[in-house]
Amino acid sequence: AQSVTQLGSHVSVSEGALVLLRCNYSSSVPPYLFWYVQYPNQGLQLLLKYTSAATLVKGINGFEAEFKKSETSFHLTKPSAHMSDAAEYFCAVSEGLTGGGNKLTFGTGTQLKVEL
Amino acid sequence: DTEVTQTPKHLVMGMTNKKSLKCEQHMGHRAMYWYKQKAKKPPELMFVYSYEKLSINESVPSRFSPECPNSSLLNLHLHALQPEDSALYLCASSRDGPPYNEQFFGPGTRLTVL
Repeated sequence: AQSVTQLGSHVSVSEGALVLLRCNYSSSVPPYLFWYVQYPNQGLQLLLKYTSAATLVKGINGFEAEFKKSETSFHLTKPSAHMSDAAEYFCAVSEGLTGGGNKLTFGTGTQLKVEL
Repeated sequence: DTEVTQTPKHLVMGMTNKKSLKCEQHMGHRAMYWYKQKAKKPPELMFVYSYEKLSINESVPSRFSPECPNSSLLNLHLHALQPEDSALYLCASSRDGPPYNEQFFGPGTRLTVL
């Protein structure tokens, strides 16, 4: 089974500083990887996804992620943090299901705190 | 319309009650999902429907009963729940097909079982 591991359950940055959230995957086949963000008391919103078309993926709100096969990583970055970026971030891997649909397996999440 | 709606937003029920959660999407997606999310944890997949047929049940207790009456609607019927079932229940939908199709999530129903 495929899985993802997020290093660092809590990350704190200053406003304007670089954001780096780490995600490593385990998969015997080329993975389909996603980053989702969850604001308090809300559902999940897709930030970006990797589908093998390009190793550097740009998403919404200035976020991007780079797929590195040699490091089995898909880290999320943003050059300059904003207060509104404070949220829970989940990395996930997707697998197809025999009966239809896909299964998303999430990492444990990283809580991002942005300080003035 | 890229929205998944869920009703109710909040639900409080006793252990002997029967209630239902509802989810709706109008994106033409043929795969729909129920997830359970406990506080400070990632979502956990419960059920997957594909073309209105149950694709997977992730060993969910029978007190949770899913239903997909048509391609736009997904229900989760609740009966004889336990306090540990209190959680945020998220619905999602996606195009059926390759795993690179992203899932769109609703805002969730916050369930409290007394």
